[in-house]
Amino acid sequence: AQRVTQPEKLLSVFKGAPVELKCNYSYSGSPELFWYVQYSRQRLQLLLRHISRESIKGFTADLNKGETSFQVKKKFAQEEDSAMYYCALMTGNQFYFGTGTSLTVIP
Amino acid sequence: DTAVSQTPKYLVTQMGNDKSIKCEQNLGHDTMYWYKQDSKKFLKIMFSYNNKELIINETVPNRFSPKSPDKAHLNLHINSLELGDSAVYFCASSQGTDSYEQYFGPGTRLTVT
Repeated sequence: AQRVTQPEKLLSVFKGAPVELKCNYSYSGSPELFWYVQYSRQRLQLLLRHISRESIKGFTADLNKGETSFQVKKKFAQEEDSAMYYCALMTGNQFYFGTGTSLTVIP
Repeated sequence: DTAVSQTPKYLVTQMGNDKSIKCEQNLGHDTMYWYKQDSKKFLKIMFSYNNKELIINETVPNRFSPKSPDKAHLNLHINSLELGDSAVYFCASSQGTDSYEQYFGPGTRLTVT
């Protein structure tokens, strides 16, 4: 069973508009959740972890344990935010990635 | 200074051949991984090694065999390549098994014809 799902495969927003990337997870314990991002022609890299309260590149993560969802939001999308975003769940020593959401920010 | 490197970057080969993809990390990490990203961009873990020992082996055909000659290297050998093996393979490393930040290599695009 897929432990991490991202309901949106493709997401397009206009520059300056808010953006929210959604993720649902299935895990009964205390989850460790992350967002990874892959920009065009670049490596997959860590964007945010759920325990971090900091904002990275304007993105903030929001964990809702009751709904087992983990969103990442940005108030004003920029063109350079266009990328592939992966939600990931770590349990013990195993990582599970979601199927990814391709975000396109339209100028 | 490349943290995680993979060679080759592109690999085009015919069905039935045997090929290897190499991965090296210079971060001093204890754990290394191989992931497969299919045509739909779905990223799935294949193997994980910690200090040269296999700790994760997901449901992967036994045609795939990881080899870790030392802590800094984790190579992926594939026997009898099939069309369905065409994908991008990513190597990654992390400080330990309970360390959450993984550092990814640039990927190797394998095309089987």
